[in-house]
Amino acid sequence: SYELTQPPSVSVSPGQTARITCSGDALPKEYAYWYQQKPGQAPVLVIYKDSERPSGIPERFSGSSSGTTATLTISGVQAEDEADYYCQSADSSGTYSEVVFGGGTKLTVL
Amino acid sequence: EVQLVESGGGLVQPGGSLRLSCAASGFTFSIHWMHWVRQAPGKGLVWVSRINRDGSNTNYADFVKGRFTISRDNAKNTLYLQMNSLRAEDTAVYYCARDIGYYDSSGYYYSHFDFWGQGTLVTVSS
Repeated sequence: SYELTQPPSVSVSPGQTARITCSGDALPKEYAYWYQQKPGQAPVLVIYKDSERPSGIPERFSGSSSGTTATLTISGVQAEDEADYYCQSADSSGTYSEVVFGGGTKLTVL
Repeated sequence: EVQLVESGGGLVQPGGSLRLSCAASGFTFSIHWMHWVRQAPGKGLVWVSRINRDGSNTNYADFVKGRFTISRDNAKNTLYLQMNSLRAEDTAVYYCARDIGYYDSSGYYYSHFDFWGQGTLVTVSS
């Protein structure tokens, strides 16, 4: 089955830039989506269609995709950004487009 | 205000059944595909199932096929997940999620989620 690979953890100091990657063979032709999940809370969409930001999401969150890797970038990280981040894409190799999540990356703000 | 409120979780023995519900409000439920996504304790998000707008098309992850059934009642603005033959590995928080996806030129529907409920915990244990 199709997999999306994320690093288990990323650590940055406040004010620095955090980059979280998501690797998958289908990413050159499929969009990536990113969700933030804080402990005990439901996920929140922070980036859609590789690089679009939903209303209400701070400008410090941005996304990009090149080849088989999508990247979530958080510029000027704040303590409140400490959370788990999940990428999501699609596996359209079968009869329908199946939802696939990456394993998640824990962002620690030092 | 968009709200998704899950209910129906609890403790069940292996081999047992549960029916989860997700009550939707604050938006036109019938125009959205809807999903169930689960998260085992301390683990990541895993997609479970989805249903199209009128309930005529459903898809399932391989690990629940034949055991789980997704359905919806647009008159009651409610999404359901009937879970049978439950296993210990089905223990998780189950989230319902609203889909704001799209069709591409080849007819595939691509999903992603803009609102999630707070989840309901299902524990399968003897």
